[in-house]
Amino acid sequence: EAGVAQSPRYKIIEKRQSVAFWCNPISGHATLYWYQQILGQGPKLLIQFQNNGVVDDSQLPKDRFSAERLKGVDSTLKIQPAKLEDSAVYLCASSSPTGGATYEQYFGPGTRLTVT
Amino acid sequence: AQSVTQLGSHVSVSEGALVLLRCNYSSSVPPYLFWYVQYPNQGLQLLLKYTTGATLVKGINGFEAEFKKSETSFHLTKPSAHMSDAAEYFCAVNEGLLIFGKGTTLSVSS
Repeated sequence: EAGVAQSPRYKIIEKRQSVAFWCNPISGHATLYWYQQILGQGPKLLIQFQNNGVVDDSQLPKDRFSAERLKGVDSTLKIQPAKLEDSAVYLCASSSPTGGATYEQYFGPGTRLTVT
Repeated sequence: AQSVTQLGSHVSVSEGALVLLRCNYSSSVPPYLFWYVQYPNQGLQLLLKYTTGATLVKGINGFEAEFKKSETSFHLTKPSAHMSDAAEYFCAVNEGLLIFGKGTTLSVSS
């Protein structure tokens, strides 16, 4: 079974520019997550989708970050405009709808963003 | 609010030695607990999880962890370290959302 796909793997941009990341979850996984992992820290949830609806986006900086999951499959995370503190690895994960909080989340390889 | 504390940001062991990575959590309800491993430039891979039942949980690559409610701990162990175990390890608690600790980097020397 194919894993979670993410692109690009690396991105370097200047502050105030915009950037977009793409994620394709495991086939059949209804729940999709975006995490931000700053160097030296654990991943922090930005947004969770169930199919194409948002379950939780309480930690998403909505003044500059946006995410969508049209058709309940692929998802895109956008940052506009980027700040230096947005430099991090952005991880996408997906999970199966069967189960409760015991869902195992499957992670993609991540996109490493450097803002200069 | 739930939280996870990993004691020691960096642990170094010799090949063949015992690996012990410490994790303490706070949770208002019986937690679901996880250990993930992250190799350089890769995503996170689940090592093991505790949901209910047996408190000693066995995972992949010879790792195991024991849930101790009285100590609010979920320490990760492996009897004999291998060079390939060098990676970053994250403890996490799930009460609907997955909350990660800051991670512990494991180094293994020959």
